[in-house]
Amino acid sequence: KAGVTQTPRYLIKTRGQQVTLSCSPISGHRSVSWYQQTPGQGLQFLFEYFSETQRNKGNFPGRFSGRQFSNSRSEMNVSTLELGDSALYLCASSLRTVTDEQFFGPGTRLTVL
Amino acid sequence: GQNIDQPTEMTATEGAIVQINCTYQTSGFNGLFWYQQHAGEAPTFLSYNVLDGLEEKGRFSSFLSRSKGYSYLLLKELQMKDSASYLCAVRDAGAGSYQLTFGKGTKLSVIP
Repeated sequence: KAGVTQTPRYLIKTRGQQVTLSCSPISGHRSVSWYQQTPGQGLQFLFEYFSETQRNKGNFPGRFSGRQFSNSRSEMNVSTLELGDSALYLCASSLRTVTDEQFFGPGTRLTVL
Repeated sequence: GQNIDQPTEMTATEGAIVQINCTYQTSGFNGLFWYQQHAGEAPTFLSYNVLDGLEEKGRFSSFLSRSKGYSYLLLKELQMKDSASYLCAVRDAGAGSYQLTFGKGTKLSVIP
């Protein structure tokens, strides 16, 4: 069974731009969660999607948004990028809920210049 | 909100036993996870505790005390490949929604 895939793996953007990251969960998994990981703050929960609906949301500004498609693939969008958005963005999928065992993708390394 | 504390770094010797502690404060505790993350890689699931007590899985064990807001991960017969960050994560069922909050991780270095 294929694991969680994320594209692109690396991305360089400049301040003010917007970016879209993609995540394909493990086949059969319906819950997709997004996390931001930085050396200073560790892993922070962004949001969780299930059946195309945002089910949970962390404490991030509205510049961070996401969506999920009918095939459970998910995208995350960050608008008006700031230097502090430089981070590793991880996607995790699980069968039904965020509390089932989550399987993480390799992440997208975003650098904002 | 939640507060999760774990040591920043630990060092242990190959073949030894190491215990990584995690304390938490949460309004609606609903489970605790441990993840392992090697440098440059994604986190991988190690264990899940929702009831008090010890869960053993091979060389790794995880303990939970809900009344004390405390958990630990015990690694036995340490191997060099166990050098990684270990993340404690708590599920909070407060405010009618579920959220997984991670600690900042404990970087474990295993030395010969």
